[in-house]
Amino acid sequence: EAQVTQNPRYLITVTGKKLTVTCSQNMNHEYMSWYRQDPGLGLRQIYYSMNVEVTDKGDVPEGYKVSRKEKRNFPLILESPSPNQTSLYFCASSFSPLGTYEQYFGPGTRLTVT
Amino acid sequence: SQQGEEDPQALSIQEGENATMNCSYKTSINNLQWYRQNSGRGLVHLILIRSNEREKHSGRLRVTLDTSKKSSSLLITASRAADTASYFCATESGGSYIPTFGRGTSLIVHP
Repeated sequence: EAQVTQNPRYLITVTGKKLTVTCSQNMNHEYMSWYRQDPGLGLRQIYYSMNVEVTDKGDVPEGYKVSRKEKRNFPLILESPSPNQTSLYFCASSFSPLGTYEQYFGPGTRLTVT
Repeated sequence: SQQGEEDPQALSIQEGENATMNCSYKTSINNLQWYRQNSGRGLVHLILIRSNEREKHSGRLRVTLDTSKKSSSLLITASRAADTASYFCATESGGSYIPTFGRGTSLIVHP
C-alpha cells in the first residue's frame, strides 16, 4: 500500500531534549516536506527536499533540522526543543516538485514540549 | 508565506445541502489544489485544477477557477455527515512548484 509513515505519532518531551521524528515513504517520490499545523495558522512548511541530499528551508525553519540521505526517508530533528514547537507535524511527499503532483501526507505527529 | 485564504472559516449545514467554500489568492498561480483533513489526521488530496482550466469535477465535487478574480471555489453537492472535515486550498505560483496552504474552512454536516 502506498503510504507515508511517521513515528512517533505522539510525543511528550521536555525543553532541550533532542528528538527526531522519522518520515518514510514507499512510493519512490523525489519530493518530501515537513509542515507544522497550529490552530488559526493553517499549515506552514518547515523544510522541503527536492531529492537526495537536496534540502531547503520553508517558511518556518528556525529550531529544526532535516536530512535526506536516502530517497525514502526524511527525518525532522529538533536539537533543543522549546514549548513554542508544541504542534502537530506532518510529513508529505510527491512524485516530483517539477510539474504538479498531489502530495501524500503522513498521519501526523502530535508533539508537546513542556 | 500563505498565499491562499479560504472563506468562510467555518460552515455548518444539514445533510443533503450543498456546501460551497472559496479560496482567494494574491499572485498568479500555476495550479490550485484542494485537500481535505479529518480531525487531527493527514491531508488527503481531492482535486487539482490548472491555471488554464476553469472547472473540474470529481464525483460530488466541483471546483471552479477564476484567474481574473484570483479565486477558486469548491462545491460539495448533496453533502453527507462523512464530509465533515476541514478543507484547504493549496497554490503553486511562479517558478516554485512548492504548494502553499491556506488556513482552511471547517465544514460540519449535521445528520
